[in-house]
Amino acid sequence: NAGVTQTPKFQVLKTGQSMTLQCAQDMNHEYMSWYRQDPGMGLRLIHYSVGAGITDQGEVPNGYNVSRSTTEDFPLRLLSAAPSQTSVYFCASSYNRLAEAFFGQGTRLTVV
Amino acid sequence: GQQLNQSPQSMFIQEGEDVSMNCTSSSIFNTWLWYKQDPGEGPVLLIALYKAGELTSNGRLTAQFGITRKDSFLNISASIPSDVGIYFCAGPSMDSSYKLIFGSGTRLLVRP
Repeated sequence: NAGVTQTPKFQVLKTGQSMTLQCAQDMNHEYMSWYRQDPGMGLRLIHYSVGAGITDQGEVPNGYNVSRSTTEDFPLRLLSAAPSQTSVYFCASSYNRLAEAFFGQGTRLTVV
Repeated sequence: GQQLNQSPQSMFIQEGEDVSMNCTSSSIFNTWLWYKQDPGEGPVLLIALYKAGELTSNGRLTAQFGITRKDSFLNISASIPSDVGIYFCAGPSMDSSYKLIFGSGTRLLVRP
């Protein structure tokens, strides 16, 4: 049982480059979300999805796009990377809105 | 917006000691979640609390949902080296229960 799988684990980008962080879950969860974690801070919500075809913004959505074409996948796109987007990114899924979120292992992104 | 304040920020204790940490907010939360994050990993759910006054245990961990709904605490008894990590409290946002708000974490170090 893989749970929530994120790829890649590490990535270095140059300012202005674009890339997609992948997230897949095999638990048939409706709810998926993306967080970023910066030193000394808790996790902050970027975008979330309550089901295939439905997405919404979280606390810090600027500079990121998401889409949800299937229940299993929820990719996060950086349109034009900036050094301020250097962070650790976590994808999470849950089976209902009040339930506990299951997290992936994270993607450590550095933008130079 | 809603915020969760965790204290202490960090703790350095001797193996075998008991640990107590708490989470407070100026807003009411209807659910309290406690997560642990090991270095290089995603957060893992430890305990979920759904009712004011609820006291729940998970092995050596005990957590309580405050009566006022504005606080929660986590206790760890007889700490061991593998308890090292960052402990986060979290709860659903009032404007959308799909959004989790996280505290900034308590870093625990255990001296063997």
